[in-house]
Amino acid sequence: GQNIDQPTEMTATEGAIVQINCTYQTSGFNGLFWYQQHAGEAPTFLSYNVLDGLEEKGRFSSFLSRSKGYSYLLLKELQMKDSASYLCAVRNTGGFKTIFGAGTRLFVKA
Amino acid sequence: NAGVTQTPKFRVLKTGQSMTLLCAQDMNHEYMYWYRQDPGMGLRLIHYSVGEGTTAKGEVPDGYNVSRLKKQNFLLGLESAAPSQTSVYFCASTFRRGGETQYFGPGTRLLVL
Repeated sequence: GQNIDQPTEMTATEGAIVQINCTYQTSGFNGLFWYQQHAGEAPTFLSYNVLDGLEEKGRFSSFLSRSKGYSYLLLKELQMKDSASYLCAVRNTGGFKTIFGAGTRLFVKA
Repeated sequence: NAGVTQTPKFRVLKTGQSMTLLCAQDMNHEYMYWYRQDPGMGLRLIHYSVGEGTTAKGEVPDGYNVSRLKKQNFLLGLESAAPSQTSVYFCASTFRRGGETQYFGPGTRLLVL
């Protein structure tokens, strides 16, 4: 079967660092995506990992371990505008389909 | 360059009514997708298309039909709406498989009474 697990909610303080974990079990793997989705809006692309390791992009970093079926999204220097849902998604081997996790709602407090 | 657009933005239907949701993209993308998003369940794939004239079923295709007559348009039809189809519907497109991200439309909120 195919399954993606991530925490339902997290709370962090402005200026701090937060790590959002994602574990997956899929029939095939052709890359892992992280998306940000503000309430009432469409998901927007944050990062893409296909090889093991860390990808850094400004305040956001994403890590992948294919052997462990594990990824995390690291957000540094949190800002109030980072309050949103963060979706972990895995693309299957054929490349046609992407399976999404239920998302992690992040609340950033002052 | 408008990206991905969806029509309508919001609709209320009565059980048994039919409607068509329109998705249009101006990025010359080959692949297009229809998802539904329900609270606590993430995005679930309804149908997708890998090119003009082709369609395929996703995870939750029952009760929906699709057509891709033109490369830039992907239509999602509900022949006989049911309350279980109350959801937010997102269309997405991507240039090709592999490392390309999906670009999402703004969503259509559908309420079936």
